[in-house]
Amino acid sequence: NAGVMQNPRHLVRRRGQEARLRCSPMKGHSHVYWYRQLPEEGLKFMVYLQKENIIDESGMPKERFSAEFPKEGPSILRIQQVVRGDSAAYFCASSPQNRFFVNEQFFGPGTRLTVL
Amino acid sequence: EDKVVQSPLSLVVHEGDTVTLNCSYEVTNFRSLLWYKQEKKAPTFLFMLTSSGIEKKSGRLSSILDKKELSSILNITATQTGDSAIYLCAVPPNAGGTSYGKLTFGQGTILTVHP
Repeated sequence: NAGVMQNPRHLVRRRGQEARLRCSPMKGHSHVYWYRQLPEEGLKFMVYLQKENIIDESGMPKERFSAEFPKEGPSILRIQQVVRGDSAAYFCASSPQNRFFVNEQFFGPGTRLTVL
Repeated sequence: EDKVVQSPLSLVVHEGDTVTLNCSYEVTNFRSLLWYKQEKKAPTFLFMLTSSGIEKKSGRLSSILDKKELSSILNITATQTGDSAIYLCAVPPNAGGTSYGKLTFGQGTILTVHP
């Protein structure tokens, strides 16, 4: 049973380019969460998605960041016009369905984004 | 806003020592608390605690919740170098909110175990 998969594992972008981060949840999981970990800081929630729905995006910056989880395919976190401050590790997590109870979240290996 | 504070921020011990990591929380309408271990990459799930006073164990690791004190501890006995990691605790939002998925993490405790 494969765990949460993220790709790429490392991504280098120049300022102004776009970054696309992909996440495939664990088999049977229909809830996806994105977190960001800046150097020397803890994990910060960004967005929570179900298939074709954004449930909570309260942690997403208002501009340049977007996320989706289409009916088919992985969840995508998209950062447009990247800046140096976007350099961080981006983790995706997934959990089984039933949003009204807390289920443990299982994390992927992360994508380390470096903006030059 | 939910708040999670962990202590100590870092800890250095020798193999064989026992360590206790602390996590305090401020959450409206508490539901559960989760512990994770983060090595070089993905945080891996350790425990989820919902009931006060009931210890959860996994090998040399154990954890307990104290709802009166709004805290939890994670114990590691007979530490090994492989226990070196960042230990994170997290709480989900209160049940009255619109999102049950968002976890608020503490800043973590960096544990270093020397041979």
